[in-house]
Amino acid sequence: EPEVTQTPSHQVTQMGQEVILRCVPISNHLYFYWYRQILGQKVEFLVSFYNNEISEKSEIFDDQFSVERPDGSNFTLKIRSTKLEDSAMYFCASSSLSGGDTEAFFGQGTRLTVV
Amino acid sequence: DAKTTQPPSMDCAEGRAANLPCNHSTISGNEYVYWYRQIHSQGPQYIIHGLKNNETNEMASLIITEDRKSSTLILPHATLRDTAVYYCIVRLYGNKLVFGAGTILRVKS
Repeated sequence: EPEVTQTPSHQVTQMGQEVILRCVPISNHLYFYWYRQILGQKVEFLVSFYNNEISEKSEIFDDQFSVERPDGSNFTLKIRSTKLEDSAMYFCASSSLSGGDTEAFFGQGTRLTVV
Repeated sequence: DAKTTQPPSMDCAEGRAANLPCNHSTISGNEYVYWYRQIHSQGPQYIIHGLKNNETNEMASLIITEDRKSSTLILPHATLRDTAVYYCIVRLYGNKLVFGAGTILRVKS
């Protein structure tokens, strides 16, 4: 069964360092997303991406964050200068279409720990 | 997207049906009802979705009331592995899913 793959599963970084979280969406999907979940809190939407452009972003997704699809398979989330409060699980998701009648599938997440 | 209301937690005996309710009284005509679950801190897992009609797949059944103001997710024979947080989400055309606090389902032997 096709699945969304995320690497690494766990990343520890020093405050102020840049990190890149990687995702391989399901191969025929066109819409890509990042969500995050701070420990004990809700899953929060960060950004959606389609046709090499951001289609929607939340207030969380400020100038420290960027997304990119560098090739035909990978989808990345970059945090330029990490803060302690960026520590969270980061989930990538993909869907074949936009719209209400299309399910999104999530990866198993990357646990980011900023120290 | 419309807000949903779910009980914070529920218990279910192993082998019995788990019925998880969700209220979405402000849902609009073209919004879908989605159910996801999250086991420990794993990625949310898609379960089922529907618009008006009841839906069934290999994981669960979704019963939507005629006025669409509420729905029930049914896991027909709950197992210990179904212990998770279950999220009911109402989704309009658009990309994002808005997660609430969900219902913690504890399946007990």
